[in-house]
Amino acid sequence: EVQLVESGGGLVQSGGSLRLSCAASGFTFSSYWMHWVRQAPGKGLVCVSRVNRDGSLITYADSVKGRFTVSRDNAKNTLYLQMNSLRAEDTAIYYCGRDLNAAVDIWGQGTRVTVSS
Amino acid sequence: QSALTQPPSASGSPGQSVTISCTGSSSDVGGYNYVSWYQQHPGKAPKLIIYEVNKRPSGVPDRFSGSKSGNTASLTVSGLLAEDGADYYCSSYVGGNAVVFGGGTKLTVL
Repeated sequence: EVQLVESGGGLVQSGGSLRLSCAASGFTFSSYWMHWVRQAPGKGLVCVSRVNRDGSLITYADSVKGRFTVSRDNAKNTLYLQMNSLRAEDTAIYYCGRDLNAAVDIWGQGTRVTVSS
Repeated sequence: QSALTQPPSASGSPGQSVTISCTGSSSDVGGYNYVSWYQQHPGKAPKLIIYEVNKRPSGVPDRFSGSKSGNTASLTVSGLLAEDGADYYCSSYVGGNAVVFGGGTKLTVL
């Protein structure tokens, strides 16, 4: 079964750091671009980052540039999102997703991040 | 990159058709055939229902269809069912390996 499972979310103070993980299974992880997408409470979807197959090409939303870093370990079939200097406005559910020609065809269940001020 | 523009709400009665628009610019929707649509029920992860403007993933009913004209993409849901009530989001490739989403549309089945 094709599956993505996020972990690492939680409650953190403003200015703190958190690292999210996304474990992939059921498909050849190294063959796919991947996304991190977030959704603040009651709000819409925002693409935080998109990364190519080997992790050499990464785009970030302007709101997280310089604070968030995406990496991937294809040997471990895992995508990461390192989040530093967290702000209250980063509070959201974070989803990882598999890319299909710039669409996201497989979504994880999401992990909740709460930044307290 | 600014979010794509969607109407905040749409509605229709069971059996009817409803169309949701997604307006961008020549830098996104109008410039690429990489528009996708997602359905999201409360408390659930989004689900891909249309990609590359008008393609349906396996398992998505053909009641869902997509199209594009100029800088505006559209999602049409035909033969509305109660279970189609959900939030719908469009997204588009915007160049530079980036993707942007629309603000979302809440579809109510009356």
